[in-house]
Amino acid sequence: TQLLEQSPQFLSIQEGENLTVYCNSSSVFSSLQWYRQEPGEGPVLLVTVVTGGEVKKLKRLTFQFGDARKDSSLHITAAQPGDTGLYLCAGWYAGNNRKLIWGLGTSLAVNP
Amino acid sequence: GAGVSQTPSNKVTEKGKYVELRCDPISGHTALYWYRQSLGQGPEFLIYFQGTGAADDSGLPNDRFFAVRPEGSVSTLKIQRTERGDSAVYLCASSSDGNPPREQFFGPGTRLTVL
Repeated sequence: TQLLEQSPQFLSIQEGENLTVYCNSSSVFSSLQWYRQEPGEGPVLLVTVVTGGEVKKLKRLTFQFGDARKDSSLHITAAQPGDTGLYLCAGWYAGNNRKLIWGLGTSLAVNP
Repeated sequence: GAGVSQTPSNKVTEKGKYVELRCDPISGHTALYWYRQSLGQGPEFLIYFQGTGAADDSGLPNDRFFAVRPEGSVSTLKIQRTERGDSAVYLCASSSDGNPPREQFFGPGTRLTVL
């Protein structure tokens, strides 16, 4: 059973387009993190959202945590080729704070 | 060191052989995690150490997999009688102690190929 569902799984867009990646669950998370991973490297943390309804911005990236803390989204404005990579959401499950629960990831390709 | 390091970076072995994968966490980080990752997918949790003890080993797929962290720093993931299905990138991450949310700092991974 996948506790965190990410969509879409793959996304190929042109430079300058906007996109949104979704991370959904039927479970409540105490907090949720977004990571980005490039080939041959480990994931790197982008942001942590903690409060239901919270919105955080990181340059062209906007992260939102759902009011019920069951879902999150990542929106990228004017995507650039440097945004290419695997985007992963991961949640600290409210019922078990010992380990992160990971989504399967969204593989993004931004074409020049 | 500045970050999490893992050795070897690549390991090719034959089916049935024994392998050891090493992780050097960030100095002072008490929590250490092992994950397995297939191409284009998210990390699959294997085991979590808090200090020297395995706080959660529920992700280890079977008894061929074992991990140790005897001094609360370096950790070794051991795989016996390797199978082709064990081929993957094995990631190690460390984090500081305290309540979540904690940032996990990842190493570059060890790519294991079982022929």
